[in-house]
Amino acid sequence: DIQMTQSPSTLSASVGDRVTITCRASQSISSRLAWYQQKPGKAPKLLIYKASSLESGVPSRFSGSGSGTEFTLTISSLQPDDFATYYCQQYDSYWTFGQGTKVESK
Amino acid sequence: QVQLVQSGGEVRKPGASVKVSCQASGYTFTSYYMHWVRQAPGQGLEWVGIINPRGGSTSYAQKFQGRVTMISDTSTSTVYMELSSLRSEDTAVYYCARAGGPRDYFDYWGQGSLVTVSS
Repeated sequence: DIQMTQSPSTLSASVGDRVTITCRASQSISSRLAWYQQKPGKAPKLLIYKASSLESGVPSRFSGSGSGTEFTLTISSLQPDDFATYYCQQYDSYWTFGQGTKVESK
Repeated sequence: QVQLVQSGGEVRKPGASVKVSCQASGYTFTSYYMHWVRQAPGQGLEWVGIINPRGGSTSYAQKFQGRVTMISDTSTSTVYMELSSLRSEDTAVYYCARAGGPRDYFDYWGQGSLVTVSS
């Protein structure tokens, strides 16, 4: 099974900050990685697919990069609506999620 | 617009079974795969299984093999997930999620169905 490890688990940031979340796969997954945002009591929402492709309607302050085993999600300027938990997901071999990164207000 | 509408919350006793539904609209039901993902209270996301509504083929996470069954009803554009031999650790929100292909990410999610297992 492919394991996905996110860091950090929690991130404290302020509006306007540049935020970076890292996701590592236990083996190469090429670019078969997605990022989701989840707010309390809501379903996850797709942000990024194929490691760096922005889903339609998602603000351009979100970006993704990486391939193989190391990936990053970057929020260029954190907005009030961005405080949430973020999950990476590999879809190369079955489907596995990272444990999540909670972005909270500093 | 694409919508996945799930059935309401359920309460079951340990050892019982539960069946959750997910009705799709706004797209061609048989052209997309459907997954089930669960999230225990305060925890992360866990993949349960996938069904191809065209034909009904399925694949389940090893952890749930023998306890989970997924079926599709093309007449109502609905997929169902049944989980049996419930234990307290199965208490979670269960989501359905659509995918464009057999090895793909999830572009739309249902609102979630809370299943509570308690004696």
